[in-house]
Amino acid sequence: KAGVTQTPRYLIKTRGQQVTLSCSPISGHRSVSWYQQTPGQGLQFLFEYFSETQRNKGNFPGRFSGRQFSNSRSEMNVSTLELGDSALYLCASSPGTGTGGNEQFFGPGTRLTVL
Amino acid sequence: DQQVKQNSPSLSVQEGRISILNCDYTNSMFDYFLWYKKYPAEGPTFLISISSIKDKNEDGRFTVFLNKSAKHLSLHIVPSQPGDSAVYFCALTFGNEKLTFGTGTRLTIIP
Repeated sequence: KAGVTQTPRYLIKTRGQQVTLSCSPISGHRSVSWYQQTPGQGLQFLFEYFSETQRNKGNFPGRFSGRQFSNSRSEMNVSTLELGDSALYLCASSPGTGTGGNEQFFGPGTRLTVL
Repeated sequence: DQQVKQNSPSLSVQEGRISILNCDYTNSMFDYFLWYKKYPAEGPTFLISISSIKDKNEDGRFTVFLNKSAKHLSLHIVPSQPGDSAVYFCALTFGNEKLTFGTGTRLTIIP
């Protein structure tokens, strides 16, 4: 079974631009979560999508948004990029149909650098 | 506020010995606890988990212990192997898909 894939793996943008990251979950998984990893803040939850609906949301500004398609693939968008948005963005998938306890499986991440 | 803390940023252990990684939390609502391992430039890899109704779960060389009254979680690796060198994160959740991660502990196994 193929794992979680994320594209692109590396991205360089300048301040003020916007960026879209993509995530394909494990086949059969309906939940996709996004996390930001920075040296100072560790791994922070951004949001989770299940059946094309945002089900959980972290404490990030509205510049961070996402969506999920009918095939469970998900995209994350960051508008008006700031230097502090430079981070590793990780996507995780899980079946999403149970209560807490669905182990999440992570992709390799997209390394975003904002200049 | 930091709800989940891993107080040791790094740990060095001799090959063959036991590695003990610790995680403390403040929110008693957490009901499911996971450990992930992370290599550089890769996403975290799930290792082992435990629900709040148990106090121990074992999988091969990995054992997770949960002390709910102390709000403390630990991961034991025995015997430790060089391939275990990585950053280890505890991750906690309550009833949904949002994982709250600890700050991570870098484990180095010395041959």
